[in-house]
Amino acid sequence: GENVEQHPSTLSVQEGDSAVIKCTYSDSASNYFPWYKQELGKRPQLIIDIRSNVGEKKDQRIAVTLNKTAKHFSLHITETQPEDSAVYFCAAETLGSNYQLIWGAGTKLIIKP
Amino acid sequence: DAGITQSPRHKVTETGTPVTLRCHQTENHRYMYWYRQDPGHGLRLIHYSYGVKDTDKGEVSDGYSVSRSKTEDFLLTLESATSSQTSVYFCAISELGGTGNGYTFGSGTRLTVV
Repeated sequence: GENVEQHPSTLSVQEGDSAVIKCTYSDSASNYFPWYKQELGKRPQLIIDIRSNVGEKKDQRIAVTLNKTAKHFSLHITETQPEDSAVYFCAAETLGSNYQLIWGAGTKLIIKP
Repeated sequence: DAGITQSPRHKVTETGTPVTLRCHQTENHRYMYWYRQDPGHGLRLIHYSYGVKDTDKGEVSDGYSVSRSKTEDFLLTLESATSSQTSVYFCAISELGGTGNGYTFGSGTRLTVV
Protein backbone atom coordinates (compact mmCIF):
# COMPACT_ATOMS: atom_id res chain seq x y z
CA GLY A 1 0.00 0.00 0.00
CA GLU A 2 0.88 3.67 -0.07
CA ASN A 3 3.53 5.03 2.28
CA VAL A 4 4.33 8.71 2.72
CA GLU A 5 7.52 10.01 4.29
CA GLN A 6 7.89 13.66 5.26
CA HIS A 7 11.06 15.62 6.04
CA PRO A 8 12.20 17.39 8.06
CA SER A 9 10.27 16.76 11.25
CA THR A 10 11.19 20.24 12.51
CA LEU A 11 12.23 23.25 10.47
CA SER A 12 13.34 26.56 11.90
CA VAL A 13 13.75 29.54 9.56
CA GLN A 14 14.32 33.24 9.96
CA GLU A 15 11.31 35.44 9.31
CA GLY A 16 11.36 36.53 5.69
CA ASP A 17 13.31 33.49 4.50
CA SER A 18 11.87 30.58 2.52
CA ALA A 19 10.87 27.18 3.88
CA VAL A 20 10.71 23.90 1.98
CA ILE A 21 9.11 20.69 3.21
CA LYS A 22 9.48 17.49 1.21
CA CYS A 23 7.43 14.33 0.97
CA THR A 24 7.98 11.10 -0.87
CA TYR A 25 5.36 8.50 -1.68
CA SER A 26 5.50 4.90 -2.79
CA ASP A 27 2.40 4.24 -4.93
CA SER A 28 2.98 5.41 -8.47
CA ALA A 29 -0.78 5.27 -9.10
CA SER A 30 -1.47 8.07 -6.60
CA ASN A 31 -2.55 11.26 -8.30
CA TYR A 32 -3.74 13.68 -5.64
CA PHE A 33 -1.46 15.35 -3.08
CA PRO A 34 -2.82 17.87 -0.56
CA TRP A 35 -1.03 19.88 2.11
CA TYR A 36 -2.59 20.76 5.45
CA LYS A 37 -1.63 23.34 8.04
CA GLN A 38 -2.40 22.82 11.70
CA GLU A 39 -1.95 25.69 14.09
CA LEU A 40 -1.51 24.95 17.78
CA GLY A 41 -4.76 23.66 19.27
CA LYS A 42 -6.63 23.92 15.98
CA ARG A 43 -7.88 21.53 13.32
CA PRO A 44 -5.80 20.67 10.23
CA GLN A 45 -6.85 22.81 7.28
CA LEU A 46 -6.20 22.34 3.59
CA ILE A 47 -3.88 25.03 2.25
CA ILE A 48 -2.98 23.78 -1.21
CA ASP A 49 -3.20 20.63 -3.29
CA ILE A 50 -1.90 19.32 -6.58
CA ARG A 51 -2.95 16.66 -9.03
CA SER A 52 -0.63 14.51 -11.09
CA ASN A 53 -1.37 16.26 -14.35
CA VAL A 54 0.22 19.43 -12.98
CA GLY A 55 3.87 19.96 -12.07
CA GLU A 56 3.50 23.07 -9.96
CA LYS A 57 0.78 25.12 -8.34
CA LYS A 58 1.04 28.48 -6.59
CA ASP A 59 -1.18 30.44 -4.26
CA GLN A 60 0.37 33.71 -3.16
CA ARG A 61 3.33 32.82 -0.93
CA ILE A 62 2.86 29.08 -1.03
CA ALA A 63 3.57 26.66 -3.85
CA VAL A 64 3.64 22.93 -4.31
CA THR A 65 5.77 21.05 -6.81
CA LEU A 66 5.34 17.47 -7.92
CA ASN A 67 7.83 15.12 -9.52
CA LYS A 68 5.93 11.99 -10.50
CA THR A 69 8.98 10.23 -11.87
CA ALA A 70 10.82 10.54 -8.59
CA LYS A 71 7.61 10.21 -6.56
CA HIS A 72 8.11 13.26 -4.42
CA PHE A 73 6.35 16.55 -3.84
CA SER A 74 7.30 19.63 -1.90
CA LEU A 75 5.72 22.61 -0.18
CA HIS A 76 7.46 25.94 -0.63
CA ILE A 77 6.67 28.95 1.54
CA THR A 78 8.33 32.23 0.59
CA GLU A 79 8.74 35.39 2.67
CA THR A 80 7.80 33.52 5.82
CA GLN A 81 5.82 35.33 8.50
CA PRO A 82 5.14 34.55 12.18
CA GLU A 83 1.66 33.27 11.29
CA ASP A 84 3.26 30.55 9.18
CA SER A 85 4.39 28.84 12.39
CA ALA A 86 2.42 25.58 12.52
CA VAL A 87 2.62 21.88 11.83
CA TYR A 88 2.33 21.00 8.16
CA PHE A 89 1.13 17.62 6.91
CA CYS A 90 1.44 16.22 3.43
CA ALA A 91 -0.75 13.42 2.14
CA ALA A 92 -1.13 11.21 -0.90
CA GLU A 93 -4.22 9.56 -2.21
CA THR A 94 -4.32 5.80 -2.27
CA LEU A 95 -6.44 4.05 -4.85
CA GLY A 96 -6.80 1.08 -2.58
CA SER A 97 -9.96 0.47 -0.62
CA ASN A 98 -12.35 3.37 -1.02
CA TYR A 99 -9.87 6.12 -1.76
CA GLN A 100 -8.08 7.37 1.30
CA LEU A 101 -5.42 9.89 2.08
CA ILE A 102 -2.20 8.49 3.53
CA TRP A 103 -0.50 11.04 5.74
CA GLY A 104 3.04 12.12 6.38
CA ALA A 105 4.16 12.45 9.99
CA GLY A 106 4.15 16.24 9.94
CA THR A 107 6.70 19.06 10.00
CA LYS A 108 6.79 21.62 12.76
CA LEU A 109 7.72 24.94 11.16
CA ILE A 110 9.15 27.56 13.49
CA ILE A 111 9.54 31.12 12.27
CA LYS A 112 12.22 33.00 14.21
CA PRO A 113 11.73 36.76 14.53
CA ASP B 1 -17.79 26.50 10.08
CA ALA B 2 -17.36 23.97 7.25
CA GLY B 3 -20.52 22.07 8.24
CA ILE B 4 -18.88 19.61 10.60
CA THR B 5 -19.16 19.55 14.37
CA GLN B 6 -17.76 17.25 17.00
CA SER B 7 -19.13 16.66 20.47
CA PRO B 8 -18.10 16.84 23.17
CA ARG B 9 -15.11 19.16 22.74
CA HIS B 10 -13.52 17.96 25.97
CA LYS B 11 -14.14 14.90 28.09
CA VAL B 12 -12.55 13.32 31.11
CA THR B 13 -13.53 9.75 31.83
CA GLU B 14 -12.42 6.91 34.04
CA THR B 15 -10.62 3.80 32.94
CA GLY B 16 -13.00 1.02 32.02
CA THR B 17 -15.98 3.19 31.17
CA PRO B 18 -17.51 3.31 27.68
CA VAL B 19 -17.26 6.60 25.81
CA THR B 20 -18.99 7.76 22.63
CA LEU B 21 -17.83 10.67 20.50
CA ARG B 22 -20.10 12.18 17.90
CA CYS B 23 -19.34 13.69 14.54
CA HIS B 24 -22.15 15.52 12.76
CA GLN B 25 -22.02 16.97 9.23
CA THR B 26 -24.41 19.06 7.21
CA GLU B 27 -22.55 18.70 3.88
CA ASN B 28 -24.13 15.40 2.84
CA HIS B 29 -20.64 14.00 2.16
CA ARG B 30 -20.33 10.30 1.62
CA TYR B 31 -17.03 9.70 3.42
CA MET B 32 -16.38 10.21 7.11
CA TYR B 33 -13.25 9.42 9.11
CA TRP B 34 -12.09 9.22 12.69
CA TYR B 35 -8.45 10.00 13.48
CA ARG B 36 -6.49 10.25 16.67
CA GLN B 37 -3.59 12.62 17.04
CA ASP B 38 -0.82 12.10 19.55
CA PRO B 39 2.52 13.91 19.87
CA GLY B 40 5.07 12.35 17.54
CA HIS B 41 2.51 10.24 15.68
CA GLY B 42 0.74 12.65 13.38
CA LEU B 43 -2.74 11.62 12.26
CA ARG B 44 -3.63 7.96 12.62
CA LEU B 45 -6.80 6.56 11.09
CA ILE B 46 -9.07 4.66 13.48
CA HIS B 47 -12.12 3.85 11.34
CA TYR B 48 -13.80 5.31 8.32
CA SER B 49 -17.16 5.13 6.60
CA TYR B 50 -17.93 5.20 2.89
CA GLY B 51 -21.70 5.27 3.28
CA VAL B 52 -24.56 4.58 5.65
CA LYS B 53 -23.84 1.34 7.50
CA ASP B 54 -20.60 0.93 5.49
CA THR B 55 -17.51 1.16 7.68
CA ASP B 56 -14.00 -0.22 7.70
CA LYS B 57 -11.01 -0.34 10.00
CA GLY B 58 -8.02 1.92 9.92
CA GLU B 59 -4.52 1.35 11.24
CA VAL B 60 -5.34 1.76 14.96
CA SER B 61 -8.82 0.30 15.30
CA ASP B 62 -8.29 -1.97 18.32
CA GLY B 63 -10.50 -0.91 21.24
CA TYR B 64 -12.73 1.26 19.05
CA SER B 65 -16.00 0.71 17.23
CA VAL B 66 -18.04 2.96 14.97
CA SER B 67 -21.54 3.29 13.67
CA ARG B 68 -23.14 5.27 10.89
CA SER B 69 -26.89 4.91 10.83
CA LYS B 70 -27.49 8.06 8.79
CA THR B 71 -25.40 10.15 6.43
CA GLU B 72 -24.87 13.05 8.81
CA ASP B 73 -23.69 11.20 11.93
CA PHE B 74 -20.61 9.08 12.57
CA LEU B 75 -20.15 7.80 16.11
CA LEU B 76 -16.91 6.57 17.63
CA THR B 77 -17.19 4.36 20.72
CA LEU B 78 -14.44 3.34 23.09
CA GLU B 79 -15.82 0.13 24.50
CA SER B 80 -13.79 0.26 27.72
CA ALA B 81 -11.56 3.32 27.89
CA THR B 82 -7.88 2.90 28.74
CA SER B 83 -5.22 5.49 29.53
CA SER B 84 -3.57 4.77 26.16
CA GLN B 85 -6.68 6.18 24.49
CA THR B 86 -6.05 9.61 25.96
CA SER B 87 -5.71 11.67 22.80
CA VAL B 88 -7.19 14.31 20.58
CA TYR B 89 -9.77 12.82 18.23
CA PHE B 90 -10.55 14.42 14.90
CA CYS B 91 -13.42 13.63 12.61
CA ALA B 92 -13.09 14.44 8.91
CA ILE B 93 -15.46 14.42 5.97
CA SER B 94 -14.89 14.13 2.25
CA GLU B 95 -17.20 14.21 -0.73
CA LEU B 96 -15.09 12.03 -2.98
CA GLY B 97 -12.79 10.17 -0.65
CA GLY B 98 -9.11 11.02 -0.90
CA THR B 99 -9.37 12.43 -4.39
CA GLY B 100 -11.27 15.55 -5.25
CA ASN B 101 -11.27 18.26 -2.64
CA GLY B 102 -9.49 16.57 0.22
CA TYR B 103 -10.82 16.38 3.75
CA THR B 104 -12.50 18.87 6.05
CA PHE B 105 -11.77 18.34 9.72
CA GLY B 106 -13.87 18.99 12.76
CA SER B 107 -12.52 20.97 15.69
CA GLY B 108 -11.49 17.88 17.61
CA THR B 109 -12.36 16.24 20.91
CA ARG B 110 -9.77 16.16 23.65
CA LEU B 111 -10.30 12.96 25.62
CA THR B 112 -8.53 12.25 28.88
CA VAL B 113 -8.81 8.81 30.46
CA VAL B 114 -7.85 8.79 34.14
